[in-house]
Amino acid sequence: AQSVSQHNHHVILSEAASLELGCNYSYGGTVNLFWYVQYPGQHLQLLLKYFSGDPLVKGIKGFEAEFIKSKFSFNLRKPSVQWSDTAEYFCAVSASPSSYKLIFGSGTRLLVRP
Amino acid sequence: AAGVIQSPRHLIKEKRETATLKCYPIPRHDTVYWYQQGPGQDPQFLISFYEKMQSDKGSIPDRFSAQQFSDYHSELNMSSLELGDSALYFCASRRIGLTSEETQYFGPGTRLLVL
Repeated sequence: AQSVSQHNHHVILSEAASLELGCNYSYGGTVNLFWYVQYPGQHLQLLLKYFSGDPLVKGIKGFEAEFIKSKFSFNLRKPSVQWSDTAEYFCAVSASPSSYKLIFGSGTRLLVRP
Repeated sequence: AAGVIQSPRHLIKEKRETATLKCYPIPRHDTVYWYQQGPGQDPQFLISFYEKMQSDKGSIPDRFSAQQFSDYHSELNMSSLELGDSALYFCASRRIGLTSEETQYFGPGTRLLVL
């Protein structure tokens, strides 16, 4: 069965610090990978996605992620975080040919101190 | 751009009551997914529909049922509600194309509280 593991459950950073959130998945076949962000009280918004091609993908708000197939990883990065990045971040994978349902990681709560 | 619409946004029910949640996908999207997000938890897949047919099923209780209608909107029916059903219920829509490269877009969710 597919699964997604996010290593950091809570991260606290100061503004301008660099961010890297880890994500590993388990699935032997071709996967689609996503990072979603959920601001307090809001719905899930797509940050970025990887389907194929360049393993370094750029998303909105200065976020990027790198797909490393050999490590089954899709880590999220941002060079300099802002207070407005305070949110919960979910890594997700879809791979089912029947529906492409999303399997989510447990999420990482990021708090950025001003 | 049009987004996924869910109604109601908030719902309060008593134990053993029933609830119906509605989802209106983005225009021209033919696939709907339902997810349940408990307090402090990650979203869990419940069920999905493609072209009005159930396409996949996850951890959905037998007390729940869902369907997709001819206009592609979907309804999640929940009966004999339990306290543990209190959660945020997300609907997402997607357009199935020639490749798998279509993204799911999420609605704002329905927050259900069972007392």
